[in-house]
Amino acid sequence: LAKTTQPISMDSYEGQEVNITCSHNNIATNDYITWYQQFPSQGPRFIIQGYKTKVTNEVASLFIPADRKSSTLSLPRVSLSDTAVYYCLGERDTGRRALTFGSGTRLQVQP
Amino acid sequence: KAGVTQTPRYLIKTRGQQVTLSCSPISGHRSVSWYQQTPGQGLQFLFEYFSETQRNKGNFPGRFSGRQFSNSRSEMNVSTLELGDSALYLCASSDGGRAPADTQYFGPGTRLTVL
Repeated sequence: LAKTTQPISMDSYEGQEVNITCSHNNIATNDYITWYQQFPSQGPRFIIQGYKTKVTNEVASLFIPADRKSSTLSLPRVSLSDTAVYYCLGERDTGRRALTFGSGTRLQVQP
Repeated sequence: KAGVTQTPRYLIKTRGQQVTLSCSPISGHRSVSWYQQTPGQGLQFLFEYFSETQRNKGNFPGRFSGRQFSNSRSEMNVSTLELGDSALYLCASSDGGRAPADTQYFGPGTRLTVL
């Protein structure tokens, strides 16, 4: 699975857009990029997943450039409840379900 | 659909004891994976079961074991508990093979404290 690198922490204010970038230089051809959100003492929650270009859902957008060596999670107009740890993972499409979590990015949203 | 459920939510044990944790996956999901989360090591994969068979295994000692039943429910057992086993144990379920990528959905976890 791709080794991912993310900033350890980020700070933002309510109403701002937050972009968290993840580097995955050795991503394999059949790896998908998946982002999870985790609140303290809870299980990670799936946010969004993509292979290339742009994916958008009701929660976030995911931008993956053509070389796929990085991806950016975009959270529009964050609120206090978006304060959490965000994990970026490379997830293969066949056979492997052992997710390898890095340290994640701790996002702190302030009023 | 109901989400992944785990029981119990909290557990306190003493060193040397054993413990069994339970996980009920999302209806229709056939794959169940277990993870351990500690402040020092982060989230680490323990093992995955699919159709009652262990399909993947992480780097944990043999004291950690699991099983899956015909209804896809899974249990995880830790024998001879050590202080370092104190952690949040997370269960995740997935369809087990649907393309393009098999997204895992996590339960709330079981907080185990070993005294």
